[in-house]
Amino acid sequence: EDQVTQSPEALRLQEGESSSLNCSYTVSGLRGLFWYRQDPGKGPEFLFTLYSAGEEKEKERLKATLTKKESFLHITAPKPEDSATYLCAVQARGQNFVFGPGTRLSVLP
Amino acid sequence: ETGVTQTPRHLVMGMTNKKSLKCEQHLGHNAMYWYKQSAKKPLELMFVYSLEERVENNSVPSRFSPECPNSSHLFLHLHTLQPEDSALYLCASSQVPRDREKLFFGSGTQLSVL
Repeated sequence: EDQVTQSPEALRLQEGESSSLNCSYTVSGLRGLFWYRQDPGKGPEFLFTLYSAGEEKEKERLKATLTKKESFLHITAPKPEDSATYLCAVQARGQNFVFGPGTRLSVLP
Repeated sequence: ETGVTQTPRHLVMGMTNKKSLKCEQHLGHNAMYWYKQSAKKPLELMFVYSLEERVENNSVPSRFSPECPNSSHLFLHLHTLQPEDSALYLCASSQVPRDREKLFFGSGTQLSVL
């Protein structure tokens, strides 16, 4: 059975304090790993798709990396506006998305 | 208007009421989805429609009834719900179902069942 876990469950950072969020997965035939950002009371917003081990993608202060077992979302010098829940999801061949429970990030000024 | 729009944003209903959630996508996509998001739980897929045909029903109780009249509109009809059905209901769309296509989500309907 495909599974996705995320750690930590919640993370509090000071503004400018860099850190990483982890997404571990078990899936047969990975087609893609997706990162989403979700603000309170809103739907998830797409950030990145990673397709194969070794791939990296960047957007502003965020950088996503992928290995055969996990993905990391690195946040460099975060700002309060980066506070949100970050969701990871995997998609196997011919299958629907399997979402992780998310990491709730708070960046304090 | 662009993206995926859901109405209403908030809904409070009694266990004997009948209500409907509406979703409209303005992206020209061919697949639409209903997800349920409960507190501290992963998103749960409920239904998938591809070109207006239901292709997946993830063991959802019959008190939830989806309807997809065309590729731009999706409804979720609710009747005799239970308090444990209180959650954020999210609609999403993609160009095609599955295979590497990212999902575009609406803002959701926050449902409270009393």
